[in-house]
Amino acid sequence: DTAVSQTPKYLVTQMGNDKSIKCEQNLGHDTMYWYKQDSKKFLKIMFSYNNKELIINETVPNRFSPKSPDKAHLNLHINSLELGDSAVYFCASSQDGGSGEQYFGPGTRLTVT
Amino acid sequence: AQSVAQPEDQVNVAEGNPLTVKCTYSVSGNPYLFWYVQYPNRGLQFLLKYITGDNLVKGSYGFEAEFNKSQTSFHLKKPSALVSDSALYFCAVHTGSARQLTFGSGTQLTVLP
Repeated sequence: DTAVSQTPKYLVTQMGNDKSIKCEQNLGHDTMYWYKQDSKKFLKIMFSYNNKELIINETVPNRFSPKSPDKAHLNLHINSLELGDSAVYFCASSQDGGSGEQYFGPGTRLTVT
Repeated sequence: AQSVAQPEDQVNVAEGNPLTVKCTYSVSGNPYLFWYVQYPNRGLQFLLKYITGDNLVKGSYGFEAEFNKSQTSFHLKKPSALVSDSALYFCAVHTGSARQLTFGSGTQLTVLP
């Protein structure tokens, strides 16, 4: 069984569109994350979220918003897509926020044309 | 603020030889240190972590890492490299007071047959 899953795996869309990426974890973890990996493979945290607190990386544009319908899901909504949003987006989850290791999804490759 | 440095973008080693991937960190407070591996077109996989206790930590696939507080380092090691170890390796740090993991820039390990 897949621990952390994301859909879709690939997403190609035009500038200005709005899109969503879904993430689900079946590990019972209390914290979920979204990361962006750029073309140079640099990994940047975008959000971390548990049932008490949303932490937003201050460098993330407000066009990006996480939405969590329940503890096992953290979806990423992106409005008014820009060329610079093209990247691979990873969802992850962990128990115990800080000391717990994170489990990553397979990634969603977003291409904005 | 917390930060991680991986001084080598690329490490090449012959199969069967020992390998080392370097990582240094900067935090205020006690660090939680992690190593992750990323294979092509895959999400990151947890290898090992140091939270407290013995400075030598053993992890998956025969990897180990040594925590050195005086040198603020957490180098990843393996006694005998395999071609299948070729991948991108990330060091990461977290402190109890911080809410998010900070990743290094990654080191591409290539094991030559």
